[in-house]
Amino acid sequence: GNSVTQMEGPVTLSEEAFLTINCTYTATGYPSLFWYVQYPGEGLQLLLKATKADDKGSNKGFEATYRKETTSFHLEKGSVQVSDSAVYFCALTQGAQKLVFGQGTRLTINP
Amino acid sequence: KAGVTQTPRYLIKTRGQQVTLSCSPISGHRSVSWYQQTPGQGLQFLFEYFSETQRNKGNFPGRFSGRQFSNSRSEMNVSTLELGDSALYLCASSSLWDGTGELFFGEGSRLTVL
Repeated sequence: GNSVTQMEGPVTLSEEAFLTINCTYTATGYPSLFWYVQYPGEGLQLLLKATKADDKGSNKGFEATYRKETTSFHLEKGSVQVSDSAVYFCALTQGAQKLVFGQGTRLTINP
Repeated sequence: KAGVTQTPRYLIKTRGQQVTLSCSPISGHRSVSWYQQTPGQGLQFLFEYFSETQRNKGNFPGRFSGRQFSNSRSEMNVSTLELGDSALYLCASSSLWDGTGELFFGEGSRLTVL
């Protein structure tokens, strides 16, 4: 079946550091890929998405590129802020509104 | 535009009881799905409804059930509660049903089973 593997956290960085959160997936065919973020005390929010190979999703300075050859969708940001502290989830769907999530990566940014 | 509303936000039940959780999707959204979030298992898909029909179901026992009404509001029910059912239950709605659209999540209903 479909699955998503994220780098384990927690991840702690200083403000303005470069961020990478690794995400790889297993799926047949061509899934759609997503990054969702959960801020403290809030529900999940879509951060970015890509629906076909080589697409780049971007939002709020975050980027991720759909790499079919490596089955990856790594999340990157060039300069993180304290307000980016949250839990980040990589996820996929395949032709249905049924998200398969990774385990989540807790990110803490220190000033 | 109002977001996804879930009620109640918090509840405490004892083993053997049943619980009903409610979800009001964003106006115009016809797809509603439910997820269970626990520290050990992470986020797991429960079921998805579109126009009152269950289209997908996750790997949960029959004690977990749901339904969707004609106004797209949805409820999920857990019968004969077990300690392991303690979790945050998240509802999400979407206007697209093909799996490429954004899911809009509510803040969840946190269930504690004692």
